[in-house]
Amino acid sequence: GDSVTQTEGPVTVSESESLIINCTYSATSIAYPNLFWYVRYPGEGLQLLLKVITAGQKGSSRGFEATYNKETTSFHLQKASVQESDSAVYYCALGALNTGNYKYVFGAGTRLKVIA
Amino acid sequence: NAGVIQTPRHKVTGKGQEATLWCEPISGHSAVFWYRQTIVQGLEFLTYFRNQAPIDDSGMPKERFSAQMPNQSHSTLKIQSTQPQDSAVYLCASSWDWAETLYFGSGTRLTVL
Repeated sequence: GDSVTQTEGPVTVSESESLIINCTYSATSIAYPNLFWYVRYPGEGLQLLLKVITAGQKGSSRGFEATYNKETTSFHLQKASVQESDSAVYYCALGALNTGNYKYVFGAGTRLKVIA
Repeated sequence: NAGVIQTPRHKVTGKGQEATLWCEPISGHSAVFWYRQTIVQGLEFLTYFRNQAPIDDSGMPKERFSAQMPNQSHSTLKIQSTQPQDSAVYLCASSWDWAETLYFGSGTRLTVL
């Protein structure tokens, strides 16, 4: 079946350092794939961070960026300089039409801790 | 816009009891999804509805879990004869349509003693 693999956490980064959380997907048969990064901040619900629906394009939000690479089936999340407020759990997700149904598949989540 | 509303926030049941979880999607959203989240399994898809019709329940444990969407303003997930392994956070999400961004509720934490 379809799957999403992302960097295993927890990941600890010092404030102002750069960050990359890897995400790769595997799909047996997909059409109209969309790629998402969701985030859950402490005490809050899961919310969209960014989304890209076209291969080769880059999404960005709150200083985070991710580029949809169809060749490597990857959608890595990057930030040049993290802040303590970025401490959260990040989930990569693939949304695609498969066997007539639209499905979203989530990675296991990566817990990020940013230290001062 | 209040977002996706899930009730109750926490539910504790005894083994063998029934649990009903409620979800109110965002008004105007046509797709409603249910997920289960545990530390071990992560986010597991359970089922989804589109325009109130059940579309895919491939993630639902067949014997004790059922979901309904009697109208466009709410969906329920019912677990009969709850077992300790059912303990998890159950998340409901809605979207304008399939292939769109999911908006999640805060979840219901179910604890089965």
